[in-house]
Amino acid sequence: QLHLQESGPGLVKPSETLSLTCTVSGDSFKKDTSYWGWIRQPPGKGLEWVGTIYSSGGTYSNPSLKSRVAMSVDTSKTQISLRLTSVTAADTAVYYCARHLAVTTSVVTWFDSWGQGILVTVSS
Amino acid sequence: DIVLTQSPDSLAVSLGERATINCQSSQSILNSPNNKNYLTWYQQKPGQPPKVLINWASTRESGVPDRFSGSGSGADFTLTISSLQAEDVAVYYCQQYYNIPWTFGQGTKVEIK
Repeated sequence: QLHLQESGPGLVKPSETLSLTCTVSGDSFKKDTSYWGWIRQPPGKGLEWVGTIYSSGGTYSNPSLKSRVAMSVDTSKTQISLRLTSVTAADTAVYYCARHLAVTTSVVTWFDSWGQGILVTVSS
Repeated sequence: DIVLTQSPDSLAVSLGERATINCQSSQSILNSPNNKNYLTWYQQKPGQPPKVLINWASTRESGVPDRFSGSGSGADFTLTISSLQAEDVAVYYCQQYYNIPWTFGQGTKVEIK
């Protein structure tokens, strides 16, 4: 059974950096097809893919967030991390980490296991 | 980017009646070499993360009740709840995995009439 848990500050000031960690428990973290995604959901709104990282450290990020997104993986701690720089009120959202299922290394599909999410509010 | 447009934005259905949600893609998400449509449907209940219902447009995830079904191909897809139950009240999203960036529909809220 895979378990994902997001952690980090719930309040970030405008122009500062949002930093979140997702701790993964279960046996799939180090597999070659272990991909991990961040998805966010503004209050009362829909889902937006933020970025995906795979266990070797390669990343994909949403072009809409331009160069503000950085992700990393710590295999020894089975954690993935998200940093989003220069935040504004528009970045206020519940941030989810999820396993991004890869059926092969070139076919990365849906998000099949999710954390409960963490609400991050951007406000001074 | 592939844009997914769901319709309607919300619907109210009587218990036991059929609910139908549509998802239209801005381009075909059918992969011809394997004849698979790269689309997933999720259910999200209040205060919970999304849960996968359907993959490859029509394959029900293990444990999902058979009243949920997915259909369609190319750029037009449908999620059907054949007999709405009280526990099906939720927001439903489609998501494509044909191209990066992975994108979601805007969601359809299903309520009881």
